[in-house]
Amino acid sequence: NAGVTQTPKFRILKIGQSMTLQCTQDMNHNYMYWYRQDPGMGLKLIYYSVGAGITDKGEVPNGYNVSRSTTEDFPLRLELAAPSQTSVYFCATNLQGENYGYTFGSGTRLTVV
Amino acid sequence: AQSVTQLDSHVSVSEGTPVLLRCNYSSSYSPSLFWYVQHPNKGLQLLLKYTSAATLVKGINGFEAEFKKSETSFHLTKPSAHMSDAAEYFCVVSVGYGGATNKLIFGTGTLLAVQP
Repeated sequence: NAGVTQTPKFRILKIGQSMTLQCTQDMNHNYMYWYRQDPGMGLKLIYYSVGAGITDKGEVPNGYNVSRSTTEDFPLRLELAAPSQTSVYFCATNLQGENYGYTFGSGTRLTVV
Repeated sequence: AQSVTQLDSHVSVSEGTPVLLRCNYSSSYSPSLFWYVQHPNKGLQLLLKYTSAATLVKGINGFEAEFKKSETSFHLTKPSAHMSDAAEYFCVVSVGYGGATNKLIFGTGTLLAVQP
C-alpha cells in the first residue's frame, strides 16, 4: 500500500514550457486535491475532484488544468509555465468527507526559470 | 467565511520544555480542525483532528490540542519538546460546500525550533 505517490519530486522548467505533475493513489479514495505551497504561506487549493470524470476549480486554478479519468490518477497540467508557478505542489486524497482525514503525497518541487 | 490564523510564525523552545503553538479559527458553523506537521523536504503528516467529539484531542508523538469554542481557538501543546519535533506546523480548518466536498483551509504555518 503506497498511499499517495507524486512524480517527479523535483523539476526545473523554462518559461513557456509545459509539464504534467503526476499523482497516483492506491487507497480507492474518491476525493483528490492539488495544492500549492509558497514560501511562508499555507497551502492553496488549485483543483479538486470528487470522483472519476468530475473536477472543479479551487482558489488558484489559473494556469493549470486537471483530468480524472480513473479513481487512481489525478494529473495536474501546466501548459505555459511562468515564474509565478514556482512552488511546491502537493496532491492529497480523502475517502469521503472531512472525518476520514486527508492523506498527502510527498510533494513536487517545481522551479520555473 | 472560514479562516484560520496561526499567531506565531516562529517558536523556539529548549529540549524538554513545553510547546505551545497557537491557532485561532473563524467558522460560521461547527468546524473540523486539524494540525499537520511538515518536516523539511517532506510531505504533510496528520498530527490530530477535532471533529465535534471530545474537545481535548490527543494526537501522535505526545501532541494534543484543545478545542475552545468560546475562544475560537485550537492550540497545539506538548509537555516536553524533543529535537525531532523541529518542523513546520499547520493549523487547518475543513470547509464544506453544500455537501459536495470538503476542502482544507491552511494557516500560514509555525516553524518550531528546538534548542539542545
